[in-house]
Amino acid sequence: DQQVKQNSPSLSVQEGRISILNCDYTNSMFDYFLWYKKYPAEGPTFLISISSIKDKNEDGRFTVFLNKSAKHLSLHIVPSQPGDSAVYFCAASVASGGSYIPTFGRGTSLIVHP
Amino acid sequence: KAGVTQTPRYLIKTRGQQVTLSCSPISGHRSVSWYQQTPGQGLQFLFEYFSETQRNKGNFPGRFSGRQFSNSRSEMNVSTLELGDSALYLCASSLAGINEKLFFGSGTQLSVL
Repeated sequence: DQQVKQNSPSLSVQEGRISILNCDYTNSMFDYFLWYKKYPAEGPTFLISISSIKDKNEDGRFTVFLNKSAKHLSLHIVPSQPGDSAVYFCAASVASGGSYIPTFGRGTSLIVHP
Repeated sequence: KAGVTQTPRYLIKTRGQQVTLSCSPISGHRSVSWYQQTPGQGLQFLFEYFSETQRNKGNFPGRFSGRQFSNSRSEMNVSTLELGDSALYLCASSLAGINEKLFFGSGTQLSVL
């Protein structure tokens, strides 16, 4: 049973436009959310995070929005660039045994066309 | 600072064999976690070690085991390999594993024939 769902396996966007990647979760205990980006043949790299006490966090071209009542978060990339083409993983975590183990979604492959 | 290093990068084994994967975390990082990635399945959590102790474990069979050494380096072992164990195995490290971002290695691509 997937606790973190990324329902769009892929997304295609024109360079300069906005990319919106979505993520839904089912566990209301999740209180910290992260996005990772993964290029082929590399490990995922951290992109941006948000705590459940916030509803928005911005870092340059990347903004994450959290809607706790809907158990939904989204990543906005504005403007999109060809170098943003990668697989994006949403992750959610809750304290367990003294640490916060993130549960990952299956990823959304973003392609940004020049 | 050197990143997370995983060896070997690629591995081919046959069913029934066992395999050991190695991970060197970023210097100073005490938490090391392991993930399995298969096509379309995202990253599945295997286990996490902190100060040589397994702190958390995912839903994988006992054939999957790991350990962490005093220098925080970690190894993961899979015994009696099955075809379904073919995957990218990723190691990640963080300072203490408390709501921190994870730093991932490039992974070990395991193929079981």
